[in-house]
Amino acid sequence: GESVGLHLPTLSVQEGDNSIINCAYSNSASDYFIWYKQESGKGPQFIIDIRSNMDKRQGQRVTVLLNKTVKHLSLQIAATQPGDSAVYFCAENGYGGSQGNLIFGKGTKLSVKP
Amino acid sequence: DSGVTQTPKHLITATGQRVTLRCSPRSGDLSVYWYQQSLDQGLQFLIQYYNGEERAKGNILERFSAQQFPDLHSELNLSSLELGDSALYFCASSPQPTSVETQYFGPGTRLLVL
Repeated sequence: GESVGLHLPTLSVQEGDNSIINCAYSNSASDYFIWYKQESGKGPQFIIDIRSNMDKRQGQRVTVLLNKTVKHLSLQIAATQPGDSAVYFCAENGYGGSQGNLIFGKGTKLSVKP
Repeated sequence: DSGVTQTPKHLITATGQRVTLRCSPRSGDLSVYWYQQSLDQGLQFLIQYYNGEERAKGNILERFSAQQFPDLHSELNLSSLELGDSALYFCASSPQPTSVETQYFGPGTRLLVL
């Protein structure tokens, strides 16, 4: 599969279990955060986003938690399925809205065992 | 399918050569972003265009340039290629240039410089 980074953190879970992927962001001026999923040979796919005026947001089977005090973001995936196997990236906007680009974390590889 | 298209999917070339990567944003999106994904650097922002004008620059080498055309498609030109330029190049798009909007990524162009 696609490998990003020589020392990519890996999370291995059993099918049906819940997964929690963590991310520490760097810029306290960031006010928008996104989680992306990247499958082998594909581009990053949007999962869920959250703005800094929220601390929790839920989607379908996914929840993002934001702790601005410690600059920490997490992605929770409920009832993890084999199709969830991928590399997950958190991204922050970094500049409080003045520029459009995203700053990406190094990624976490999620492996789901059937 | 994100709606962002990129061509070519794969490109193999030699050192010293020049290549052009092409991106068509999602229908209605005015802002285009280029990112480079390499094994040791992860996803790095290169450059952003909005409605034909350069909006923001990241870690883009002087050998690289981009433009956005009136029909909003964008091209990334890479010249005097070096082995280290081998990477995945992604284009993303969003409706507006601000950083509080989701960016949708294309499938990428895999560049191999021999």
